[in-house]
Amino acid sequence: IVLTQSPATLSLSPGERATLSCRASQSVSSYLGWYQQKPGQAPRLLIYDASKRATGIPARFSGSGSGTDFSLTISSLEPEDFAVYFCLERSAWPTFGQGTKVEIK
Amino acid sequence: QVQLQESGPGLVKPSETLSLTCTVSGGSINSYYWSWIRQPAGKRLEWIGRIYSSGNTNYNPSLKSRVTMSVDTSRNHFSLKLSSVTAADTALYYCARDGMVGQVHYMDVWGKGTTVTVSS
Repeated sequence: IVLTQSPATLSLSPGERATLSCRASQSVSSYLGWYQQKPGQAPRLLIYDASKRATGIPARFSGSGSGTDFSLTISSLEPEDFAVYFCLERSAWPTFGQGTKVEIK
Repeated sequence: QVQLQESGPGLVKPSETLSLTCTVSGGSINSYYWSWIRQPAGKRLEWIGRIYSSGNTNYNPSLKSRVTMSVDTSRNHFSLKLSSVTAADTALYYCARDGMVGQVHYMDVWGKGTTVTVSS
């Protein structure tokens, strides 16, 4: 299964809404997670099972979708949210999207 | 909280074996799956494989012939060996806990990663 994320880069200002997409080459049901990755830091699990927030994740992060089309929404960007986000699917073996960089406009 | 720390040589010669260890602190290694993931510069993450605390393993088919994972529960760490390395194995290597977070397993705790370069 191949995961394709779009856009590659999202240029936004703090306070704006960010919507990231992850599309699977075949259905992964709802077995999809979203992660945040910052340089020199451990990746952080944000969303699992497509729409459930992981422990301690702020409510401004939300996930949706099932089957092949998924999205991660950050309702109002905080300065600490500028990072790379990637999706992960759990089928036969885990595969990852190529990432979306959310950068400050 | 649980923390993971990768360790091992940062430079490996071509055709040799890459060896990394991941030390688990703040929690037990028992009753969990533990994964290795890598990311070549500018490329997407690639899952290498995972090991359960009992020693059962699952490997990525594309790397299976070169990968060996082991676990030492007495030392709370697990290890990766990747044989016959080439420049294509140069990457940032992560270890992660593969926890039953929801309906399936997700890597819910990660180390910060360690860079391994394959070069003579």
